[in-house]
Amino acid sequence: NAGVTQTPKFQVLKTGQSMTLQCAQDMNHNSMYWYRQDPGMGLRLIYYSASEGTTDKGEVPNGYNVSRLNKREFSLRLESAAPSQTSVYFCASKGGVNTGELFFGEGSRLTVL
Amino acid sequence: GNSVTQMEGPVTLSEEAFLTINCTYTATGYPSLFWYVQYPGEGLQLLLKATKADDKGSNKGFEATYRKETTSFHLEKGSVQVSDSAVYFCARYAGGTSYGKLTFGQGTILTVHP
Repeated sequence: NAGVTQTPKFQVLKTGQSMTLQCAQDMNHNSMYWYRQDPGMGLRLIYYSASEGTTDKGEVPNGYNVSRLNKREFSLRLESAAPSQTSVYFCASKGGVNTGELFFGEGSRLTVL
Repeated sequence: GNSVTQMEGPVTLSEEAFLTINCTYTATGYPSLFWYVQYPGEGLQLLLKATKADDKGSNKGFEATYRKETTSFHLEKGSVQVSDSAVYFCARYAGGTSYGKLTFGQGTILTVHP
């Protein structure tokens, strides 16, 4: 049971470089999310996709873009990385319409120097 | 707005001690409430949930009761184990047009010593 798979698990970037975090789920879920986790801040929503073909901003979207490539895949792109984007990123998916149960990937630790 | 406040951590306990992690939420609407757990090196996973007032969620010996009068959802366990060492997140889900957007507390680190 793969569930939600994120790649890469670790990445080091220099300021100004770009990269894409990949996420795929095999549970046929409609909704997918990208969160960042920072010490003392809990999880903050970056972007979400309620269904295939739609994306919307969360709490902290600045500096990020997303693509819902198909129902399975939801990628997060940093066009010009900044040290403030050093964080652990989590992708999650949700199956039901009116449920708060999310299924999370294992996380991607990004360091921007 | 919607918010969740958890007790400050970290929490350090000896094995078999009683655990309480406090959580309060904003009372806007009729939210569902959750506790998620994050074990070292892993993503978050659902621990328990409650969808309406007075509901009690339970799993793996953990319990939490949805208290509307005190807007609280405190996590408890009678006897913790070393394997319970993790980060615990309280979360609130408003439903409706929120498209499943959970609001998380800041997380509480629990360390249990033998």
